[in-house]
Amino acid sequence: DGGITQSPKYLFRKEGQNVTLSCEQNLNHDAMYWYRQDPGQGLRLIYYSQIVNDFQKGDIAEGYSVSREKKESFPLTVTSAQKNPTAFYLCASKGLAGGTGELFFGEGSRLTVL
Amino acid sequence: DAKTTQPPSMDCAEGRAANLPCNHSTISGNEYVYWYRQIHSQGPQYIIHGLKNNETNEMASLIITEDRKSSTLILPHATLRDTAVYYCIVRPLNAGNMLTFGGGTRLMVKP
Repeated sequence: DGGITQSPKYLFRKEGQNVTLSCEQNLNHDAMYWYRQDPGQGLRLIYYSQIVNDFQKGDIAEGYSVSREKKESFPLTVTSAQKNPTAFYLCASKGLAGGTGELFFGEGSRLTVL
Repeated sequence: DAKTTQPPSMDCAEGRAANLPCNHSTISGNEYVYWYRQIHSQGPQYIIHGLKNNETNEMASLIITEDRKSSTLILPHATLRDTAVYYCIVRPLNAGNMLTFGGGTRLMVKP
């Protein structure tokens, strides 16, 4: 089935370590997004990409990095520079032509820094 | 993208209609109204969208005012499984630019 897959679902890391969250989609979508969600809060945009080899910062990009080497993949690296990385991370994708224009979300990755 | 305003929380009795409002007074002519919902610790799920006409699908109905400055999502017979956070966003149909979410409305359906 077509969809968007995030891994791992749960991740623990020690302070000072970088960690990479995976996001893969087989929907042939051009645009992909990373959001961060803190308890009881809404979604905040970290980075987004509309095309391979190009991406833009969202509202809270500091301490994060991304790459878009393939259309299907948009990994997010949480670096040691991110001061409060414990959060729920959501990846999403959408097509840019035709369809309903809806955003498809993965099931999320919960990162805990020990 | 136009900014939206939603009440932070609402309660609804099981079996009754849940009416969730959204204000989007700065909406542009080419922007659609989209609704998503997020059940605890899951990814948000698309519900419905519309431009200016009222829309209905198997999940909900969307009522958009004539001036398009506000809309209401209607869950006709709310169940306990409809307890979730509901987000209203406005944007062009095929835009690939920044898509920002507000805080949404936390709907609690009570028995």
